[in-house]
Amino acid sequence: AQSVAQPEDQVNVAEGNPLTVKCTYSVSGNPYLFWYVQYPNRGLQFLLKYITGDNLVKGSYGFEAEFNKSQTSFHLKKPSALVSDSALYFCAVRGMDSSYKLIFGSGTRLLVRP
Amino acid sequence: ETGVTQTPRHLVMGMTNKKSLKCEQHLGHNAMYWYKQSAKKPLELMFVYSLEERVENNSVPSRFSPECPNSSHLFLHLHTLQPEDSALYLCASSRNTGGAAFFGQGTRLTVV
Repeated sequence: AQSVAQPEDQVNVAEGNPLTVKCTYSVSGNPYLFWYVQYPNRGLQFLLKYITGDNLVKGSYGFEAEFNKSQTSFHLKKPSALVSDSALYFCAVRGMDSSYKLIFGSGTRLLVRP
Repeated sequence: ETGVTQTPRHLVMGMTNKKSLKCEQHLGHNAMYWYKQSAKKPLELMFVYSLEERVENNSVPSRFSPECPNSSHLFLHLHTLQPEDSALYLCASSRNTGGAAFFGQGTRLTVV
């Protein structure tokens, strides 16, 4: 069965510092991996995805994520955090054998202090 | 704007009411989804439609009834709901395998 784990409920970082939001996954076969961001009272916004190719994926708003197959991880990163990055971040996975079933992690709240 | 539109944005309904949530996508996608987001719980996949056929139903109570009349529209019909059904209901759509899902703004449902 597919699953996604986001081990941190909340990540706190000072503005200008690098940030990392962790995600590990479990899926049979090769995964399709996604990151989404959610601002208060809004739907989820797509940030980036990994399908195949380069392990480092670049996305919207300066975010990037690194796919690590041996560690089954797909951590979200940004070199320099902004206060406006404060939001709820979700990692999601879809296995190649279950085309339409997109499973989400529990979410990590990112708080960037001025 | 993500190209996925949900109406209404907010809904308050009594436990004996019948209402419907609507979702419309203008992205040419062939799969549509309903998710439920409750406080302090992971997003729950409720229903998946691919090419207007239901391909996934994650043991959702029968008081939730989906309808997909065409590839651009998805409804969630609600009847005799319970207070614990209060949540943010999110619609999403995607292209075929590997495509990112794009979400609507959600409908905030309160059952009183």
